Amino acid sequence: QVQLVESGGGVVQPGGSLTLSCLASGFNFSSYGMYWVRQAPGKGLEWVAFIRYDGSKEYYVDSVKGRFTISRDNSKNTLYLGMSSLRPEDTAVYYCAQDGGGSSWPFENWGQGILVTVSS
Amino acid sequence: DIQMTQSPSAMSASVGDRVTITCRASQGISNYLAWFQQKPGKVPKRLIYASSSLQSGVPSRFSGSGSGTEFTLTISSLQPEDFSTYYCLQHHTFPYTFGQGTKLEIK
Repeated sequence: QVQLVESGGGVVQPGGSLTLSCLASGFNFSSYGMYWVRQAPGKGLEWVAFIRYDGSKEYYVDSVKGRFTISRDNSKNTLYLGMSSLRPEDTAVYYCAQDGGGSSWPFENWGQGILVTVSS
Repeated sequence: DIQMTQSPSAMSASVGDRVTITCRASQGISNYLAWFQQKPGKVPKRLIYASSSLQSGVPSRFSGSGSGTEFTLTISSLQPEDFSTYYCLQHHTFPYTFGQGTKLEIK
């Protein structure tokens, strides 16, 4: 079955950088777009970024544009989120999620989430 | 950006009640809407996709309807395990946007 496992979270100082990874298994990773979604403590869900199956196009929420970069390595079945110039308001649990394809619709499958804390 | 206005933000209800949660989109999104349930500390779980299609394994007391700008999630007879937070998501236009969430509590 589909498995998405995030890693790379932790505590980072404001202005610092961090890269999250999402290792995918159980499906043909190179055929699916992928998302990052986050949730600040006690807050709602926020869509963060999307990358097409082949990495040819990316989309971001305005609050992270120019600071975050979504990327992927299809040879390693891995999705990444590079985060720089981090702010306290970036503190959140970050989830990766699978896009739809063929007859399937997006956001059926999610990772377990990884916590990023931006604090001095 | 498309704004998703979800209401109510919180509500209390009793086991057996019929409950409806609404999401309104600031512009038409056809049927590119999903509903999620999230329990504290857990991963969001998709309940409904394509506005009205029930996710496999989700009880039939959950249903979704709507198209264009107005959407509803209905729980026909609340069960104890349904007390949770619910979110809608539009995936018609980037940036995708979630509703603010509805916290459903036991009366």
